[in-house]
Amino acid sequence: AQSVTQLDSQVPVFEEAPVELRCNYSSSVSVYLFWYVQYPNQGLQLLLKYLSGSTLVKGINGFEAEFNKSQTSFHLRKPSVHISDTAEYFCAVIGPGYSTLTFGKGTMLLVSP
Amino acid sequence: GAGVSQSPRYKVAKRGQDVALRCDPISGHVSLFWYQQALGQGPEFLTYFQNEAQLDKSGLPSDRFFAERPEGSVSTLKIQRTQQEDSAVYLCASSDTGSSYNSPLHFGNGTRLTVT
Repeated sequence: AQSVTQLDSQVPVFEEAPVELRCNYSSSVSVYLFWYVQYPNQGLQLLLKYLSGSTLVKGINGFEAEFNKSQTSFHLRKPSVHISDTAEYFCAVIGPGYSTLTFGKGTMLLVSP
Repeated sequence: GAGVSQSPRYKVAKRGQDVALRCDPISGHVSLFWYQQALGQGPEFLTYFQNEAQLDKSGLPSDRFFAERPEGSVSTLKIQRTQQEDSAVYLCASSDTGSSYNSPLHFGNGTRLTVT
């Protein structure tokens, strides 16, 4: 079975500080990994994805994530956050034999001035 | 171009009522997915269509839930005899191929269902 664990339900940070949102996955086979962002009262938008190749993936809005197979992690990072980054972030996984993504419970990023 | 459109945006139903939630995917998108997002949780898969064929309905929580996409475009999620535990945001997503690997999912803004 595929599953995703997002270790933090909420991450408060100050504007211009760096941030890391943690994601660990569980799967016995190779998987593809995604990060989605959900702004208030909106649908989810794709931030970035890892399918293969370089383990460091760059996405939109200055976010990046690193795939670490040995630690089964796919943590999301941004070196300097803005107020507008306040949103819920979801890590997701898909593996062979599955129709679609399995999402984590989400991490609420709260950026304050 | 228009994104994925869902209606109604909000729905309040009394326990026991039937509801129908509509999803208009992006024109030409082959795949359509329904997810249920309970408060404080991530989206959970309900069902998946490729064109008009329902290829996976393993996530539907009970036989009170039914989804259709008769002409391969608009989809309706129907919930019969609603219960309080059905209260959630129902998200629809579409993609332009049959693969969730390479084609990003485009999500609608969801329908928030409250069962009283």
